[in-house]
Amino acid sequence: EDQVTQSPEALRLQEGESSSLNCSYTVSGLRGLFWYRQDPGKGPEFLFTLYSAGEEKEKERLKATLTKKESFLHITAPKPEDSATYLCAVQAKGYNKLIFGAGTRLAVHP
Amino acid sequence: EPEVTQTPSHQVTQMGQEVILRCVPISNHLYFYWYRQILGQKVEFLVSFYNNEISEKSEIFDDQFSVERPDGSNFTLKIRSTKLEDSAMYFCASSPAANYGYTFGSGTRLTVV
Repeated sequence: EDQVTQSPEALRLQEGESSSLNCSYTVSGLRGLFWYRQDPGKGPEFLFTLYSAGEEKEKERLKATLTKKESFLHITAPKPEDSATYLCAVQAKGYNKLIFGAGTRLAVHP
Repeated sequence: EPEVTQTPSHQVTQMGQEVILRCVPISNHLYFYWYRQILGQKVEFLVSFYNNEISEKSEIFDDQFSVERPDGSNFTLKIRSTKLEDSAMYFCASSPAANYGYTFGSGTRLTVV
């Protein structure tokens, strides 16, 4: 069964304290791995798509990497406005649907 | 930046009533989706729609649910006879291609009482 597990469930950082979020996945054949940001009461906001192991993408303070079993979202020198829930999702080959993990709730304090 | 628009933002309905949730996807997108998120739980796939037909649906999407693209811009989700367990945030999304990042709307919070 295709599955996504994110860790940690929650993470508290001081402003400027870099860290990484983990997304472990099992999927019959990976079509794509997606990272989203979700603010309370809002819809997920697209961040990155990664398609193959070794691929990396960056956007401002965020960098996503992908291996055959997991993905990391690295946050460099975070700011309070980076506080949100970060969701990871996988799409299996032959399917359109995304399978989401439970997310990591990130809180960045000044 | 183009947006996916959902209405209403919040709907309260009596158990057993029919509800229609409405979405306007991004105009040049070809794939349309409905997801839901029960409070405190994961985002769950309901249905995908492409070329005027359902391309994929989950076990949740039973005979009580239906989708329609009645014109060139709207995409609707109908729940025929709502149950308490249908209470959730419902998200519409669209994408230009099947393996492209989706754009999600802000959601409709459905409360069944």
